[in-house]
Amino acid sequence: EPEVTQTPSHQVTQMGQEVILRCVPISNHLYFYWYRQILGQKVEFLVSFYNNEISEKSEIFDDQFSVERPDGSNFTLKIRSTKLEDSAMYFCTTSGRFLRAVAKNIQYFGAGTRLSVL
Amino acid sequence: KQEVTQIPAALSVPEGENLVLNCSFTDSAIYNLQWFRQDPGKGLTSLLLIQSSQREQTSGRLNASLDKSSGRSTLYIAASQPGDSATYLCAVCFIGGGSNYKLTFGKGTLLTVNP
Repeated sequence: EPEVTQTPSHQVTQMGQEVILRCVPISNHLYFYWYRQILGQKVEFLVSFYNNEISEKSEIFDDQFSVERPDGSNFTLKIRSTKLEDSAMYFCTTSGRFLRAVAKNIQYFGAGTRLSVL
Repeated sequence: KQEVTQIPAALSVPEGENLVLNCSFTDSAIYNLQWFRQDPGKGLTSLLLIQSSQREQTSGRLNASLDKSSGRSTLYIAASQPGDSATYLCAVCFIGGGSNYKLTFGKGTLLTVNP
């Protein structure tokens, strides 16, 4: 079964450093999302991305965050200057567009990247 | 704004018991509802997905039902086993900004099955 691949599985960084989390979507998927889960809290929506632009972003997704598809395959989340409160599990999800519109609403999750900011 | 609530927050049962986890959501305009399992410190494992036109889905000992009009879903686990111990999350899918689909999650139910 096709899967969404996220790298690295665990990223440790110092406060103030830039990090880039990477996601390889399922082939032919067109819709991309990032969610995060702070330890012990809900999974929260961060951003949705389609046709090389952000479709929607949450209030969490401030100017420190950015997303892009630099090479048409990887989908990345960049945090420009990490803070302690950015420590969380980050999940990438993707969904496709097929002949049947129902497939568009099924998001497939990657295994997540655990970000630890020290 | 879509809100998802899961009850109970935690549940401890003896092995072999049948149990029900509850999920409610405030806006019935959803496209699907999904149940996930999460082990401590791990990612999300999708268990069952129910499209809005469906009433229930079954996989092995798991059965999920959806009553969209009342904003409720239940996850039924039959003959529970210690290996079922995990946090169970409910998520609803609806249209967000830019016509993209978006998931809203509940906080989860922490299930402990005692041998």
